[in-house]
Amino acid sequence: EAQVTQNPRYLITVTGKKLTVTCSQNMNHEYMSWYRQDPGLGLRQIYYSMNVEVTDKGDVPEGYKVSRKEKRNFPLILESPSPNQTSLYFCASSRIQGSTEAFFGQGTRLTVV
Amino acid sequence: RKEVEQDPGPFNVPEGATVAFNCTYSNSASQSFFWYRQDCRKEPKLLMSVYSSGNEDGRFTAQLNRASQYISLLIRDSKLSDSATYLCVVLPLSGGYNKLIFGAGTRLAVHP
Repeated sequence: EAQVTQNPRYLITVTGKKLTVTCSQNMNHEYMSWYRQDPGLGLRQIYYSMNVEVTDKGDVPEGYKVSRKEKRNFPLILESPSPNQTSLYFCASSRIQGSTEAFFGQGTRLTVV
Repeated sequence: RKEVEQDPGPFNVPEGATVAFNCTYSNSASQSFFWYRQDCRKEPKLLMSVYSSGNEDGRFTAQLNRASQYISLLIRDSKLSDSATYLCVVLPLSGGYNKLIFGAGTRLAVHP
């Protein structure tokens, strides 16, 4: 089954404690991205990757890091989480050109206290 | 100004009603357009693409007006299961790769 898998689904953490949210896709997609979703603001892109070892900032990259060492994985790293990073996070993947349907993971609800 | 703007709603309609959502986009060079559906606390999923000539999928009709830079979604004979948030999505002409721009969504609530 074609899917994007995020873990964990829910996470409560304390300010400053480094965390990683994993994302994996099994569709051999080149393009992967991370979004955060906040009430009234919609989905905002944090980082994206066009292929292995190719990453770039989205619209709201501050406080986040990513890596793309393998095509299937695109982890999101919060080195020192702060309360303003409390949000619902989605990972998505798609082909880089052609069919532009984006497939999303189930989301990670993060609370930073 | 946001790149993609939608009325947040909520639109509260009875079963069987016809409801329409509009969405405007700011980048006149945008090349592809979509409607995604997002159920509460779930991931967005593609509902339908929007073609220049307009397109229909069952009870759903999508239209594009490039001159006025807006996209619409019409839902006929609303069902309870149509209750969700509908996201307008635009693909700008930007290097040819898939950097989708999402609107904040329009919430629809269909009641018995």
